[in-house]
Amino acid sequence: QQQVKQSPQSLIVQKGGISIINCAYENTAFDYFPWYQQFPGKGPALLIAIRPDVSEKKEGRFTISFNKSAKQFSLHIMDSQPGDSATYFCAATAGFQKLVFGTGTRLLVSP
Amino acid sequence: DAGVTQSPTHLIKTRGQHVTLRCSPISGHKSVSWYQQVLGQGPQFIFQYYEKEERGRGNFPDRFSARQFPNYSSELNVNALLLGDSALYLCASSLTGITDTQYFGPGTRLTVL
Repeated sequence: QQQVKQSPQSLIVQKGGISIINCAYENTAFDYFPWYQQFPGKGPALLIAIRPDVSEKKEGRFTISFNKSAKQFSLHIMDSQPGDSATYFCAATAGFQKLVFGTGTRLLVSP
Repeated sequence: DAGVTQSPTHLIKTRGQHVTLRCSPISGHKSVSWYQQVLGQGPQFIFQYYEKEERGRGNFPDRFSARQFPNYSSELNVNALLLGDSALYLCASSLTGITDTQYFGPGTRLTVL
């Protein structure tokens, strides 16, 4: 019940395209859903986060869509750029901050 | 402002040895969490500390221990190292530790031979 399932495992998108990564969870106590971006050799960096009282949050080219009833949330990267090539992790937490991470999606944006 | 700093950057140990990893949180942050990230996987929660008290512990054996100092820096100790302990160890800090943003450091890459 503590798992967060993430798909796809890897993704190749052409420059200018839309990258979509999906996550699903079971624990209805989760109340904070961040997305992290990680480059090789670096720690994860917070990209965008959402709470279950909203269905969508947009920051620049990054949008989170949240479906509380389906217990699913997704990250959309609009106008994907080669610099977006990284590994993306969804995560979830309830109350104190034991972040539960998904398994990661390796995104490659081809020029 | 400086971000979360961790030391050392890389470390090579042999099985059975002990290791200490260090973390300095962002100035003003009182909560520190430790995560283990095995290659190709997402980070796994090990510990959270707030105001020098352990607030949470993940599913790791007692060989793993940690502490937080009065200046909010933290140490992660691992005893009797196993090959499976080879991983990137990440430290994250946040203001209060209650559903606010966690900022991660660059990690310490531990290799156990």
